[in-house]
Amino acid sequence: AQKITQTQPGMFVQEKEAVTLDCTYDTSDQSYGLFWYKQPSSGEMIFLIYQGSYDEQNATEGRYSLNFQKARKSANLVISASQLGDSAMYFCAMREGLSGTSYGKLTFGQGTILTVHP
Amino acid sequence: EPEVTQTPSHQVTQMGQEVILRCVPISNHLYFYWYRQILGQKVEFLVSFYNNEISEKSEIFDDQFSVERPDGSNFTLKIRSTKLEDSAMYFCASSEGQPNQPQHFGDGTRLSIL
Repeated sequence: AQKITQTQPGMFVQEKEAVTLDCTYDTSDQSYGLFWYKQPSSGEMIFLIYQGSYDEQNATEGRYSLNFQKARKSANLVISASQLGDSAMYFCAMREGLSGTSYGKLTFGQGTILTVHP
Repeated sequence: EPEVTQTPSHQVTQMGQEVILRCVPISNHLYFYWYRQILGQKVEFLVSFYNNEISEKSEIFDDQFSVERPDGSNFTLKIRSTKLEDSAMYFCASSEGQPNQPQHFGDGTRLSIL
């Protein structure tokens, strides 16, 4: 079974509008973390936002927010006021086993390509 | 802002040759990782390194792969006898080690095996 599932291979959004990128995960751990990374066409991986499984509030970082629904095992990324520079591949990733010995490897989803139209 | 640096940015190698990919993690970070991304696919974990030894490795990380931290700053990935299927983008990452801290990635080395 896939640990991280991103069901949207591609998404389109109009500039200045909001967009939600979906991510569902599968783990039996009680303590875990969820990350979103952006990969522009140039290839680098840019950290965007983090949500811990025990965090009571949804994470926010500027225009990025995470809609965390623990019971549904989903951690969707919301980008508000989209900009042309947001066009990129977006990866959801999970770090499991935070409460025990864990060296923190990330498991990534397949990614969603976001295209922002002017 | 401190960053992870990787060299070279692109490496072209003949099949069967050895290749060494180099990384300089962020200086106060304690955990180091290598990931790879085959073109158009997701990022896959290869190995993690802590306290001068491998802490975890994936099935991909077979006997052809090795990692080393030869001095206080560099972190290298060696592929002993490259295969065509080793062609990928290889990312080095480092983190402070706190669970809520992200892994910071380098810009990657694109490895092309001919």
